[in-house]
Amino acid sequence: EAGVTQSPTHLIKTRGQQATLRCSPISGHTSVYWYQQALGLGLQFLLWYDEGEERNRGNFPPRFSGRQFPNYSSELNVNALELEDSALYLCASSLDRGQNTGELFFGEGSRLTVL
Amino acid sequence: AQKVTQAQTEISVVEKEDVTLDCVYETRDTTYYLFWYKQPPSGELVFLIRRNSFDEQNEISGRYSWNFQKSTSSFNFTITASQVVDSAVYFCALSEASSGGGADGLTFGKGTHLIIQP
Repeated sequence: EAGVTQSPTHLIKTRGQQATLRCSPISGHTSVYWYQQALGLGLQFLLWYDEGEERNRGNFPPRFSGRQFPNYSSELNVNALELEDSALYLCASSLDRGQNTGELFFGEGSRLTVL
Repeated sequence: AQKVTQAQTEISVVEKEDVTLDCVYETRDTTYYLFWYKQPPSGELVFLIRRNSFDEQNEISGRYSWNFQKSTSSFNFTITASQVVDSAVYFCALSEASSGGGADGLTFGKGTHLIIQP
């Protein structure tokens, strides 16, 4: 069974540009989570989608947005890129909406570099 | 507010040594969940264990063991007879029931980079 897949693996952008990252969850998982792992800051929760709806978002500005498609895949968009957006963006999926388990299945991440 | 502290930024040991990774947490909830995740060089985090606040029994899984002590707010992770393949970044995480107990409420520590030298 395929795990969580993310694309692209690496992405290089310049300040002010937009970045789009994609995630395909494990088959049957309806919840998708996005995390940012920036150097020195650890893992920060970004967004949670379930059944096509945004259920919660972390403490990030509105230029971080996304959506979940009917097939449960998800897209993360970062507008007006800033240097500090350089990070590894991890997508995770969960079968049970992550409720009371925290057992997430992660992809290998998309490394975004902003120059 | 919930907080997870992993004071050890990096640990380096020689293969076959035992090593303990420390995790100290802060929470005002009486019901909460603690986790350990492993992040190998490939990047993806791998779920290792989940513990709820009412279960203080220690757990052993092969060479891995976990010691949960509410009295000291600690959830430490020990690897016995370490192997080179154990080299990774290990994250401790906490989720409070009052925030739904779900994965969106997970607070991660900053991780401990474990290096096992052959």
